Amino acid sequence: KNEVEQSPQNLTAQEGEFITINCSYSVGISALHWLQQHPGGGIVSLFMLSSGKKKHGRLIATINIQEKHSSLHITASHPRDSAVYICAVKEDSGGGADGLTFGKGTHLIIQP
Amino acid sequence: EAGVAQSPRYKIIEKRQSVAFWCNPISGHATLYWYQQILGQGPKLLIQFQNNGVVDDSQLPKDRFSAERLKGVDSTLKIQPAKLEDSAVYLCASSFSRGDTDTQYFGPGTRLTVL
Repeated sequence: KNEVEQSPQNLTAQEGEFITINCSYSVGISALHWLQQHPGGGIVSLFMLSSGKKKHGRLIATINIQEKHSSLHITASHPRDSAVYICAVKEDSGGGADGLTFGKGTHLIIQP
Repeated sequence: EAGVAQSPRYKIIEKRQSVAFWCNPISGHATLYWYQQILGQGPKLLIQFQNNGVVDDSQLPKDRFSAERLKGVDSTLKIQPAKLEDSAVYLCASSFSRGDTDTQYFGPGTRLTVL
């Protein structure tokens, strides 16, 4: 079973700072997801990666399959980016279950 | 496009009572997931359906939890009897298929408090 570790668990930064959240996992995967969860709100998918890098607005996600590691970057951070960011992986299960295994999340607070 | 619908949004019950949650996935999505998210933790998969069949329920506490998706569309998750440790947010998600490139879309969740 995959172990998904995120760091840091909590991060407080000032508006405008460059933010990096890291995720590592233990076994082979077919896809990695970065998700955003606002307090009291549902979960929104930000990225799904199987290799390389993806960019959407101020968000960038990278993955290194060999090192079993992914990072989520936020450029020019803004208070509205404050949320819990969750890394989740879909194991390469060869046709078995497809449910995601989630990290515990990184609680990000951007102060004005 | 309507998102994943869940009801109720909040439920408070006493231990040993029963409770049921409902999920209506995005139209046309064949795969449906139920997750349990305990406060301060990431979600944990309870059960995955493909149409009306169960793909994985290995982490579902079957002595008290049950789920069904009889017509392959909406789904119900039941807890009977509830325990204090069942207090959590229950999230439903759906995806078009089981492919690696299929995004899972999450509902708003049902927050259960067991007293």
